[in-house]
Parts: sequence; C-alpha cells; structure tokens
Amino acid sequence: DGGITQSPKYLFRKEGQNVTLSCEQNLNHDAMYWYRQDPGQGLRLIYYSQIVNDFQKGDIAEGYSVSREKKESFPLTVTSAQKNPTAFYLCASSFGLAGYTGELFFGEGSRLTVL
Amino acid sequence: AQKVTQAQTEISVVEKEDVTLDCVYETRDTTYYLFWYKQPPSGELVFLIRRNSFDEQNEISGRYSWNFQKSTSSFNFTITASQVVDSAVYFCALSVPYSSASKIIFGSGTRLSIRP
Repeated sequence: DGGITQSPKYLFRKEGQNVTLSCEQNLNHDAMYWYRQDPGQGLRLIYYSQIVNDFQKGDIAEGYSVSREKKESFPLTVTSAQKNPTAFYLCASSFGLAGYTGELFFGEGSRLTVL
Repeated sequence: AQKVTQAQTEISVVEKEDVTLDCVYETRDTTYYLFWYKQPPSGELVFLIRRNSFDEQNEISGRYSWNFQKSTSSFNFTITASQVVDSAVYFCALSVPYSSASKIIFGSGTRLSIRP
C-alpha cells in the first residue's frame, strides 16, 4: 500500500545527543514536510522540501537539520542545539504545493523523549 | 498575519448526539483555502475537506457537514449522530498560497470524545 512510513515510533535520547528520524514515502510526491506537535499548540512546520536536493526552513527550524537526497526520503535530525526536543514529530508529503492542494498525507509520527 | 483559532480544547458527548467544532480564521488575503483534518489515536492526520475562499457553499458528506461563513471568518464542522469512531483530535487549517505556497497554518486542535 502507498503511504508514508516513519521510524522509530518511539525514541528516547539523552541530553546532548543527536537523533535522526526517518521518513519514507512511496506516493511519488515531490513535496515533503516535517511538523512538530506539542500539546495544545497544533502543528508547527520545521522544514519542507519541494524537490530533491532542495529544502527550506519552516517556522521553528532552529536545532533541526534535514536532507533530501532521494525523492522518497526526508530524514530529520534533532540536534543537541534544540533546547526542548521532547515532542511528537510528524512527516507529511503532498503531490503539489500544500498551500494549494491542502491535502497532506501524514505518517503515524515519531514520539521523541529526552531523558 | 494568518491565524487559526479553535477555542474548544476538548468536547465530550454521548454517542448519537450532534456536535459542532468551531473554527475561526484570520487573514487579510482574499484568496485562501480552509481545511479540516482528523487525528485518530494512531497518530497520523487524515485530510477531510478543502474549501476555497470563493466558495461559501456548505458541504455535506454523510454524517459530516461544514459551514463556511466569510462574514464571521468561521469554518465550522458538524458531526451528526456521532459515533465512538469519531473520537479523535480535529484540526482546522488555513493556507494563503499567494503568500506562502508551501505553508499550512494549523489551529491548536479540538479533542473530541464520544462516550458510548
């Protein structure tokens, strides 16, 4: 079945460690996105990529990094510079630009807890 | 600036009751899109509907209906004869493509619980 796969589902990290969250899609979508979800705050955009080898910062990019070497993959690295990394992270993709189509396809998310 | 407000943090109703989720948006642009997403306990958000700013017709899809009123900047979502499977977090969202074609602004969500 087509869709978006995120891994791991749960991740624990010690302070000062970098961690990488995986996001893979087989929908043949050009655009991919990373969102952060905190209780009571909705979803906030971290990074997005419209095509391979290109990506743009979202609203809360500080302390995060991404790469887009393949159309299917858009991994997110949470670096030690991220001051409050404990959150639920959602990866999404869209066929066209999300602002027009609005139809984002989401993965099931990765919950990161910093100990 | 664009903003989406979902004032209802949590709603709990008994099965078969009707329930309306409120959404108020802010934008100065005349061209924009409004959306609703559902987030079940599994975590992934599921797209429900898109409405553009030039189409104020209400929409009905089975037990779901949406009421778009530009005069009050609202895009409310009603579930008729609610069922336990409707329990989820619902997000209202806004995009203004001419300002930022890749950005969707989400509200803070409303957690809906349907009691048997």
